[in-house]
Amino acid sequence: NAGVMQNPRHLVRRRGQEARLRCSPMKGHSHVYWYRQLPEEGLKFMVYLQKENIIDESGMPKERFSAEFPKEGPSILRIQQVVRGDSAAYFCASSPSGTSRYEQYFGPGTRLTVT
Amino acid sequence: KNQVEQSPQSLIILEGKNCTLQCNYTVSPFSNLRWYKQDTGRGPVSLTIMTFSENTKSNGRYTATLDADTKQSSLHITASQLSDSASYICVVSDWTGTASKLTFGTGTRLQVTL
Repeated sequence: NAGVMQNPRHLVRRRGQEARLRCSPMKGHSHVYWYRQLPEEGLKFMVYLQKENIIDESGMPKERFSAEFPKEGPSILRIQQVVRGDSAAYFCASSPSGTSRYEQYFGPGTRLTVT
Repeated sequence: KNQVEQSPQSLIILEGKNCTLQCNYTVSPFSNLRWYKQDTGRGPVSLTIMTFSENTKSNGRYTATLDADTKQSSLHITASQLSDSASYICVVSDWTGTASKLTFGTGTRLQVTL
């Protein structure tokens, strides 16, 4: 059973470009979470999605950031018009349910560098 | 505001020695507490998960304790190995009835040396 997969593992973008980060949850998991980790800081919650629904996006910046989890295919975190401050590691996690009893399994992360 | 604080920030120990990492939290309503190990350049991997009714839980050489009254947890590592070098993150989950949200500590960076 493959774990959570994220791609690309490393992404370099110039200021103003768009970044698309993909996350494929573990088989059988329909709940996906995105987190951001700035250098020397802890992970911060961004958004929680189920298939075709955004459940909680309270951690997502209001502008330039969006996320989706379509019926088919991976979850996508999209950052438009990237700025240097967006440089961070972005982690995706999945779980079989949204209740707190269930473990969240993390992917290896995508390291975004904005030049 | 939910917060998780960990100490020490970093720690260096000799291979074979034991160590204890601390976690204090203010998260409400509390659901469970997890310890994760994060190797450099990797995603966090779960070590233990404890609900408020559990005082201690072990996973091999890792033993976590939880005192829900004082809102403190510790992670004890026995007979440390070089491969234990990593960041150890304390994570507390709340539960609002519809979804849970994790609050992460900033981690303790452990280095095990020869």
